[in-house]
Amino acid sequence: GQQVMQIPQYQHVQEGEDFTTYCNSSTTLSNIQWYKQRPGGHPVFLIQLVKSGEVKKQKRLTFQFGEAKKNSSLHITATQTTDVGTYFCAGSLNDMRFGAGTRLTVKP
Amino acid sequence: DTGVSQNPRHKITKRGQNVTFRCDPISEHNRLYWYRQTLGQGPEFLTYFQNEAQLEKSRLLSDRFSAERPKGSFSTLEIQRTEQGDSAMYLCASSLDAGGHTDTQYFGPGTRLTVL
Repeated sequence: GQQVMQIPQYQHVQEGEDFTTYCNSSTTLSNIQWYKQRPGGHPVFLIQLVKSGEVKKQKRLTFQFGEAKKNSSLHITATQTTDVGTYFCAGSLNDMRFGAGTRLTVKP
Repeated sequence: DTGVSQNPRHKITKRGQNVTFRCDPISEHNRLYWYRQTLGQGPEFLTYFQNEAQLEKSRLLSDRFSAERPKGSFSTLEIQRTEQGDSAMYLCASSLDAGGHTDTQYFGPGTRLTVL
């Protein structure tokens, strides 16, 4: 069945360093979404990518969707303490499958 | 507040008891999803509704789990004969399917279930 894998599981960075999380699907996806979950909170939608090779930016965040629509990445430039949380990708084919998430901690 | 709401927020029950959770989606949203999330994991899809129709149900969902959305608005998730392994956060999300690709899901705060 469809699986969505995410790496790394954890990432600890110094404030100001960059951060990247990667998402891979075993099957071609119709779209991919990224969510952020703060400690003790619920997932909050960040962005959706639909087109092959699509790149979208939100301030310091850059999202990419692979050409084959089977992988995606989220890159944060110059992390801040407010970026702390777990970042999930969710791939959609017939239903929404979430990756296990990458937990980001930022040392001030 | 027009976001997704869930009740109760916390539920502690003894093994073998039945529990029911409620989700009220964003009013104009026609899709409603249930997920289960355990510590350190991403949300695990359980089932979803398009209006009142239950369109998909995860194979991981045992017969002890049942969900309804009788009028296409709020939904309930019932777990019968709870087991300790059912302890988790149960998340509800809603979205508006307008026929395109966009299916942004808005999550509720979740119901944390603890089975003793």
